[in-house]
Amino acid sequence: DQQVKQNSPSLSVQEGRISILNCDYTNSMFDYFLWYKKYPAEGPTFLISISSIKDKNEDGRFTVFLNKSAKHLSLHIVPSQPGDSAVYFCAASPYNTDKLIFGTGTRLQVFP
Amino acid sequence: DSGVTQTPKHLITATGQRVTLRCSPRSGDLSVYWYQQSLDQGLQFLIQYYNGEERAKGNILERFSAQQFPDLHSELNLSSLELGDSALYFCASSGGLGIESYEQYFGPGTRLTVT
Repeated sequence: DQQVKQNSPSLSVQEGRISILNCDYTNSMFDYFLWYKKYPAEGPTFLISISSIKDKNEDGRFTVFLNKSAKHLSLHIVPSQPGDSAVYFCAASPYNTDKLIFGTGTRLQVFP
Repeated sequence: DSGVTQTPKHLITATGQRVTLRCSPRSGDLSVYWYQQSLDQGLQFLIQYYNGEERAKGNILERFSAQQFPDLHSELNLSSLELGDSALYFCASSGGLGIESYEQYFGPGTRLTVT
């Protein structure tokens, strides 16, 4: 039972345009959501997070939006750069735990 | 460089065997997490240790076990290996609990191939 879903396995975006990565979740008992980025042959690296009490968090070119009624999370990258090409994982943490439940990832390719 | 080290990087072994994966967390981090990533899958949480004590368990098989030592390094033991255990195994660490645990720092992973 996949509680965190990333339905798009891949996304291709032109440099300078906006990249929008999506994530859906089925469990209302998550209190924190995060995005991780992963390059080949490396472990995931933390990118940005959002608490369930907020609907938006921004950090430079990266903005995460949370729509609790739709159980939907999205990551916006603007402007996209070739160095952003990586696999992006959405993750969620259930209340009163420290563990993270990850989605299956979306491979983003930013082309010139 | 996340500061988390994992050894070995690659491991090839036969079915039925036992292996040990090792992880050293970032300096000062008390929590260690183990994740498994199979082909085309997300990272599956296996187990968490905090300051030497088991804190949370995920979908970890009974054939798998882990421990965290007084120097805070951790080992994941996989026994009676099956072909389906072939995967990338990641270790992550974080400074504390609760909100401090969400930003986890991952090692480069150990790629296990069972033949």
